[in-house]
Amino acid sequence: EDKVVQSPLSLVVHEGDTVTLNCSYEVTNFRSLLWYKQEKKAPTFLFMLTSSGIEKKSGRLSSILDKKELFSILNITATQTGDSAVYLCAVEHTGGFKTIFGAGTRLFVKA
Amino acid sequence: GAVVSQHPSWVICKSGTSVKIECRSLDFQATTMFWYRQFPKQSLMLMATSNEGSKATYEQGVEKDKFLINHASLTLSTLTVTSAHPEDSSFYICSARDGQGDFGELFFGEGSRLTVL
Repeated sequence: EDKVVQSPLSLVVHEGDTVTLNCSYEVTNFRSLLWYKQEKKAPTFLFMLTSSGIEKKSGRLSSILDKKELFSILNITATQTGDSAVYLCAVEHTGGFKTIFGAGTRLFVKA
Repeated sequence: GAVVSQHPSWVICKSGTSVKIECRSLDFQATTMFWYRQFPKQSLMLMATSNEGSKATYEQGVEKDKFLINHASLTLSTLTVTSAHPEDSSFYICSARDGQGDFGELFFGEGSRLTVL
């Protein structure tokens, strides 16, 4: 059975801290791994990763994929209160492009 | 950027009635749309893949007759919760891909919160 496992499930940090969110997966017919940020309603797209070892960066956020070990990490440096959200990891299948989500990591950044 | 619109954003209905939720891609065509259900503090659970012009593909454990999906055009998919019961109360989110399959970005609607009394 396909599954996506995220850890930790929740995390409380202080502003300025660096956090690392983990995502491991077991999926047949892997196509890509995606990271989303969900604050109130709809998830917003952060990264799509398809190749191992290539880091993607966007400001203070970065992510990398290891297709051999079947995991990805999302790093957030110099965290701000606006980073407080649920971070969702999802894996996309080939053919049909079905996307399976992990349970999410709930991040709370204290001022 | 691409936008997916979902309507209504919230709905309250009586037990036994049916509720229709619409998902529209506003500035792109989507041959495939996805419907998810999200319980409080939990992740998105894929319910079904909506295919334009053909039957939806349902995930294991999702009742086809309970959750009717229609994808009549390239910009509209609807989810109808039939004979709704309180246990159907949840947050329903749709998504659509911008692009013909090859790594098109997945965009989400704002979600529809259903409360069944």
